[in-house]
Amino acid sequence: EVQLLESGGGLVQPGGSLRLSCAASGFSFSNFGMNWVRQAPGKGLEWVSSISIGGVNTYYADSVRGRFTISRDSFKNTLYLQMNSLRAEDTAVYFCAKESRYIGEGPSDSWGQGTLVTVSS
Amino acid sequence: QPVLTQPPSASASLGASVTLTCTLSGGSSDYKVDWYQQRPGKGPRFVMRVGTGGIVGSKGDGIPDRFSVLGSGLNRYLTITNIQEEDESDYHCGADHGRGSNFVRVFGGGTKVTVL
Repeated sequence: EVQLLESGGGLVQPGGSLRLSCAASGFSFSNFGMNWVRQAPGKGLEWVSSISIGGVNTYYADSVRGRFTISRDSFKNTLYLQMNSLRAEDTAVYFCAKESRYIGEGPSDSWGQGTLVTVSS
Repeated sequence: QPVLTQPPSASASLGASVTLTCTLSGGSSDYKVDWYQQRPGKGPRFVMRVGTGGIVGSKGDGIPDRFSVLGSGLNRYLTITNIQEEDESDYHCGADHGRGSNFVRVFGGGTKVTVL
């Protein structure tokens, strides 16, 4: 069974940093693209970032490019999102999602339960 | 990049049918759209992918037969027949655009489905 467990969320002041983690199990992590998607309170889903198999290619939404960095560790089966220069509008639940294989060629077929990031002074 | 538009809410009586619409704008009519179900307080769950020819690939794990899709022009539809209480959820549509450094993924605003 595929399991994705996010962690690292919390309360941070504007301008601060956080690193989210997503521990993956139940599948061959190194063979699938991975994504971060967020959901602001009471709002719809917003794609944040994707990373290809092997981590060679990374993709970012305009709203986070230059501030967030996605990465993966295939030895630890873990996906990361380093978030810097955080703003109030980054407040959201952040979901980790597994791609069906390659980024952009299939749906996100498994999702975690999310971790809440609150940016406030 | 495309914009996906969904009505904010829909409702149906227990055992009836409801059709959700995801309308594409700013992109090609041959886009494939992914439907996701999100129960309160949970992460999204993949339902199925739809193109102009209907379902693309397989349904998500455990998705009942009462869920079906159609595609027509710039609209992608998700129909739930014989709706059950456990189908009360938010439903999101999503699509990919571009390749390489231009890749983006967009989602609609979601439709909240209420079972009466």
